[in-house]
Amino acid sequence: EAQLEESGGGLVQPGGSLRLSCAASGFTVTSKSMTWVRQAPGKGLEWVSLIYSSGNTYYADSVKGRFTISRDNSKNTLYMEMNNLRVDDTAVYYCAREGRIWQDYYYYFMDVWGKGTTVTVSS
Amino acid sequence: DIQLTQSPSFLSASVGDRVTITCRATQGISRYLAWYQQIPGKAPKLLIYAASTLQRGVPSRFSGSGSGTEFTLAISSLQPEDFATYYCQQLNSYPRTFGQGTKVEIK
Repeated sequence: EAQLEESGGGLVQPGGSLRLSCAASGFTVTSKSMTWVRQAPGKGLEWVSLIYSSGNTYYADSVKGRFTISRDNSKNTLYMEMNNLRVDDTAVYYCAREGRIWQDYYYYFMDVWGKGTTVTVSS
Repeated sequence: DIQLTQSPSFLSASVGDRVTITCRATQGISRYLAWYQQIPGKAPKLLIYAASTLQRGVPSRFSGSGSGTEFTLAISSLQPEDFATYYCQQLNSYPRTFGQGTKVEIK
């Protein structure tokens, strides 16, 4: 069974840095596209970033230039390096697997989610 | 970026009711749409992908329809465990945007 478990959240001051980890089991992170999604307190879901199996990466405008997604095949772990953190980065951060299936075209979906890790940016 | 607007944002319903939630995209996304259910304090759960394909293990009272810019999630007979917040997501392009959510509460 595919599973994901995030870690690394915590309290950090504005302008600070944090690295989130997402350990995968039941599949290899380099064989799938992997994403980060966040949810600010009392708010909806916000897509943050994706890394393709090829290594190509995409980011939301709100984090571009500050966040970096990466992965380590030997540890089967996804990462999110977060720099220059702002108060509005405060959220629960989920990692998720983006799967795909062939019908008439490839269709995509986020089928495996971790339980999330909380990041609080505050002075 | 493609924006998704769900309606309603909140609905109150009773066990056994049929409910429908609409998701509208600002540009055509073919059938690149997924629906998720989120219970408070839990991670989202995939319900439907490709606009109308039910994820394995999801009860058949859930169904999805639509293509292009207008999509619908229907629950044929609301059960107590269905009271949650529902999100649509487009997977046609980046960023992979979500709708703002629809909270389904017990009447």
